[in-house]
Amino acid sequence: EPEVTQTPSHQVTQMGQEVILRCVPISNHLYFYWYRQILGQKVEFLVSFYNNEISEKSEIFDDQFSVERPDGSNFTLKIRSTKLEDSAMYFCASWVPTTDTQYFGPGTRLTVL
Amino acid sequence: AQKVTQAQTEISVVEKEDVTLDCVYETRDTTYYLFWYKQPPSGELVFLIRRNSFDEQNEISGRYSWNFQKSTSSFNFTITASQVVDSAVYFCALSDPNTGGFKTIFGAGTRLFVKA
Repeated sequence: EPEVTQTPSHQVTQMGQEVILRCVPISNHLYFYWYRQILGQKVEFLVSFYNNEISEKSEIFDDQFSVERPDGSNFTLKIRSTKLEDSAMYFCASWVPTTDTQYFGPGTRLTVL
Repeated sequence: AQKVTQAQTEISVVEKEDVTLDCVYETRDTTYYLFWYKQPPSGELVFLIRRNSFDEQNEISGRYSWNFQKSTSSFNFTITASQVVDSAVYFCALSDPNTGGFKTIFGAGTRLFVKA
C-alpha cells in the first residue's frame, strides 16, 4: 500500500541553524500539509499546499518557515533559523479529495539544542 | 475565536466495552469541518474522519461511529466493543473551510486505555 515517507526520522540541530525536513507524499496526491506536535502536547496545523502554492497557514507559520515542492515528488519544510521552541515532531500529510482521506507520514522528530 | 474542548483527559475501559469520546467545539462560522484523528502509542497520526457542518448525519465505520449535533456543538466519537488496539490518544479538530478546510485547531486529546 502506498505511504507517505519522511526523512530524517530524527534531526538534531543547534539553535539558529537552518533545517529542511523532507516528505515524499503518495504519488498522484496533490494536496499536502505540515503539522507539528510539541512533545506531550496537542497537534498544531502549520500549512497546507496545493498547486505549488500555500493555500492555508497558521499563525505559527511565520517568515522563519517555508515550504516547497522542488521536484514533483518531495515536499519540504524549511525552518530558517531554528529556536529551542521549534523542537517537536513534524508530520507531513497528503489528502485525496475523492475519498476525503488524509494520509500521514511517520513524522520527523526535531531537536533544537 | 474557535475552540475545541475534549474534557476527558483519560479514559480506561475493559476490552469489549463501548466507549464514547466527547468533543465540544466553539465557532462563529456557519460552515466548518470537524475531524477525528488517532495517535497510537507508536506516535503516528491516523486520520479517522472529516465531517462538513452541513452534514449532520451520523457516520458509522465498522466499530466506529460519530454523532454530530450542531445544537450542542458536539461531535462525539463512539467505539463499540473496544479492543486493546484501540488504545491511543484521540484528537478532535475544527477547521475553517474558507481556503481549503484543513486549517485546523485541535483539542488537547483524550487518552484511551483499553485493558484486556
